[in-house]
Amino acid sequence: DAGVIQSPRHEVTEMGQEVTLRCKPISGHDYLFWYRQTMMRGLELLIYFNNNVPIDDSGMPEDRFSAKMPNASFSTLKIQPSEPRDSAVYFCASRAGTDISYNEQFFGPGTRLTVL
Amino acid sequence: GESVGLHLPTLSVQEGDNSIINCAYSNSASDYFIWYKQESGKGPQFIIDIRSNMDKRQGQRVTVLLNKTVKHLSLQIAATQPGDSAVYFCAERANYGGSQGNLIFGKGTKLSVKP
Repeated sequence: DAGVIQSPRHEVTEMGQEVTLRCKPISGHDYLFWYRQTMMRGLELLIYFNNNVPIDDSGMPEDRFSAKMPNASFSTLKIQPSEPRDSAVYFCASRAGTDISYNEQFFGPGTRLTVL
Repeated sequence: GESVGLHLPTLSVQEGDNSIINCAYSNSASDYFIWYKQESGKGPQFIIDIRSNMDKRQGQRVTVLLNKTVKHLSLQIAATQPGDSAVYFCAERANYGGSQGNLIFGKGTKLSVKP
């Protein structure tokens, strides 16, 4: 398996523009997580899905952020409109859900977002 | 709120020495802990995990110790190598309410290995 795949790896955009980040989880994994990483706040969980259904989106900073998982192999995180304070590295992670005690999350390489 | 924190934000060790990275957690309901390693420009990578019914777990060159009395977690790396240079995160699983399965990450400790 190629692991968790994220695209793009780098995104530079101007304030006010829409940004869409993409993630393909590891095949067979039932859970998908979106994280944001900054120097100031570290790794923050934004939202996670179980079997394509959003379970907890309490970490989504505001209404400008939205996430979807239309099928088991694809998820998007959208920011509209983007702001400079959204600049961060966004990680997608997935894990198997068959054993709740086995909690290793596999992370993608991340998307570095810069909003000018 | 409850969170996972780290005692030392940076750690510099000599190649070949042992490294100890510490982590404090405050949620007594957490039942599972993981250490991740993050190299520059990459996503976090699983190192080792431990359940709350254990005190110690060993992997290849790494050992995780869990002290539930003082809510302390540590990662020991034996014979530290330059390739161990990275940021290390501890994470706890929030085993309560609707957040079962979530990981709460600490801020991270940067390990620098001097040749």
